[in-house]
Formats: sequence, C-alpha cells, structure tokens
Amino acid sequence: SYGLTQPPSVSVSPGQTARITCSGDALPKKYAYWYQQKSGQAPVLVIYEDNKRPSGIPERFSGSSSGTMATLTLNGAQVEDEADYYCFSTDSSVNHSVFGGGTKLTVL
Amino acid sequence: EVQLVESGGDLVQPGRSQRLSCTASGFTFGDYSMNWVRQAPGKGLEWVGFITSKVYGGTTEYAASVKGRFTISRDDSKSIAYLQMNSLKTEDTAVYYCHVGSGTFDIWGQGTMVTVSS
Repeated sequence: SYGLTQPPSVSVSPGQTARITCSGDALPKKYAYWYQQKSGQAPVLVIYEDNKRPSGIPERFSGSSSGTMATLTLNGAQVEDEADYYCFSTDSSVNHSVFGGGTKLTVL
Repeated sequence: EVQLVESGGDLVQPGRSQRLSCTASGFTFGDYSMNWVRQAPGKGLEWVGFITSKVYGGTTEYAASVKGRFTISRDDSKSIAYLQMNSLKTEDTAVYYCHVGSGTFDIWGQGTMVTVSS
C-alpha cells in the first residue's frame, strides 16, 4: 500500500530553520498537506496544496514540493512550534489518503 | 460556530460492534466529503476512510486495515456522519476524529476514544 515517509525527529535551536521532509511516489501528481499536532489536541492545518498557508498560520511556516518530496520549512522556529508534524496526501492509483508517520519537532 | 463533535466512544469487547457519530454545525454539511481519522495511544495519525458528498455519489473508500469491517455513512438532513465498526480488534483502540478538509477549510472534531479490550 502507498506510504509517505518522514524522519521521526528533527531538532533545532530557537531562531534556526527547521525542515521536515515527506517522500512519496505520488507526490509529483498529488498535493501535500501538513498538520501540526500538539499533545492532547486535534491536528491543525499549517500548509495546504503543497505551499499555501491558511489564514492565522504564522509566515514562518512555508511548504514546497519537488518530485517525490514535499518539505515543510519553519524559518526561525519558536519554542511554541514544538509539536508533531504530519504530511498528508493521496495515492495516485486508488482514491485512498495517507498520513506520513509523523515528525517530532524539538525546539530548544 | 463551525465545529464537528464526535460521540459514541466507549470500552468495547473484541469482536463486538460500536457506532461513532460526528455532528456538524456552522457550515453546509452536505457540500463536503467527510473523513474519519484515528490515532492509537502514542502513535501517529491513520486515515480510516471517507464518504464523498451526495453530488459525488456519496461513495466511500477505506484503509486496508478496516475494509470489510468498518462502514461510513451520512445523514445530510441531520448533519451527521457515522462510523460503524464491526468485528473490533484490540488494535482498533484509538482516538477517532472526524475531519472535513477542502483547501483552507479544514475542521477537526475533538475526538472520541474507543478502547477494545476484554
């Protein structure tokens, strides 16, 4: 079955740039979405359709996609950005959706 | 206020059934596909399945892990989506979320806990 691969963890110091990658064979044809989930809370959309930022999401969050890899970038990560981040997309051959395994971002 | 509220989570014995509900408010429920997503304790998010809007036939798709056991349905007159779970297994233990996602319109419920244990 189709899968999206993310690194289990990323660690940066406050103010540094954090990059979280997501690889999947269908990403050249399908959009990637990124969700932030803090402990005990429902996920929050931070990037949709590869590189669009919903209103209310800080400008330091950005997304890009090239070939089979999508990337979530936090320019100037803040302590409050510590969370689990999940990419989300769709299989190109069957109409199924899938989440990446999640990346725990540590900012300290 | 735009919101989704799940209900129906409980402690259930293996092999039994349980039905979850997702009640929507604040938006035109019938215009959107509805997803169910689950999260086992300490684990990542797992897509369970979706049902499209009636305009797109109200069709359903399911993850391989639940296909044949779970059924998603909707009642647009009540703005409710359902997740019928049969033949439950211990590995179905999770928080179950309903979700609407269409571009920047992205709404999640607070989740409801289903524990499958004898």
